[in-house]
Amino acid sequence: DGGITQSPKYLFRKEGQNVTLSCEQNLNHDAMYWYRQDPGQGLRLIYYSQIVNDFQKGDIAEGYSVSREKKESFPLTVTSAQKNPTAFYLCASSIEPDRGTQYFGPGTRLTVL
Amino acid sequence: EDQVTQSPEALRLQEGESSSLNCSYTVSGLRGLFWYRQDPGKGPEFLFTLYSAGEEKEKERLKATLTKKESFLHITAPKPEDSATYLCAVQAGAGGTSYGKLTFGQGTILTVHP
Repeated sequence: DGGITQSPKYLFRKEGQNVTLSCEQNLNHDAMYWYRQDPGQGLRLIYYSQIVNDFQKGDIAEGYSVSREKKESFPLTVTSAQKNPTAFYLCASSIEPDRGTQYFGPGTRLTVL
Repeated sequence: EDQVTQSPEALRLQEGESSSLNCSYTVSGLRGLFWYRQDPGKGPEFLFTLYSAGEEKEKERLKATLTKKESFLHITAPKPEDSATYLCAVQAGAGGTSYGKLTFGQGTILTVHP
């Protein structure tokens, strides 16, 4: 089955730690995105990548980093510089870099202890 | 700046009671308007894409329509399994942000009672 997988489903982080969230897709999509979802707010774009080895900051990139070494993988690192990292993180992909439907993974819930 | 506002924030219906959800938007050249369904603790599930005013799309009990300023998601004879949060998002086509960014509304929480 084609789709987007995210792992882990739940992640707990201590203050001062960096953590990495995994996102893999087997849809052969060029573009991948990371969003953050907080209660009562719309999804907000953290980073996006239109092609392998290229990525750009979204609206709320501070305290986050990404890499895109393979077409199917787009991991997100939440660094200790992110002041309020507790949230639901969603990865998405689309077949074209600048348009079209984005399909979402199941999400990772990150909680800072 | 692109903006999306959804109303109402929450909607409670009885099973079989039809209603509509609203999505008002301002965007620099609409490339597409998207509706998603999201269940608690899960990722959004794609429902519809609308591209131009006057367009309509249907899927089972759901029908999405689009004007130049807003979109409606009509739910006909809803069932309890239609309970979810419905998200609306727009994708702009004009002005330098042509990287596929979606601007989301806050969502409408729909509860359908049996």
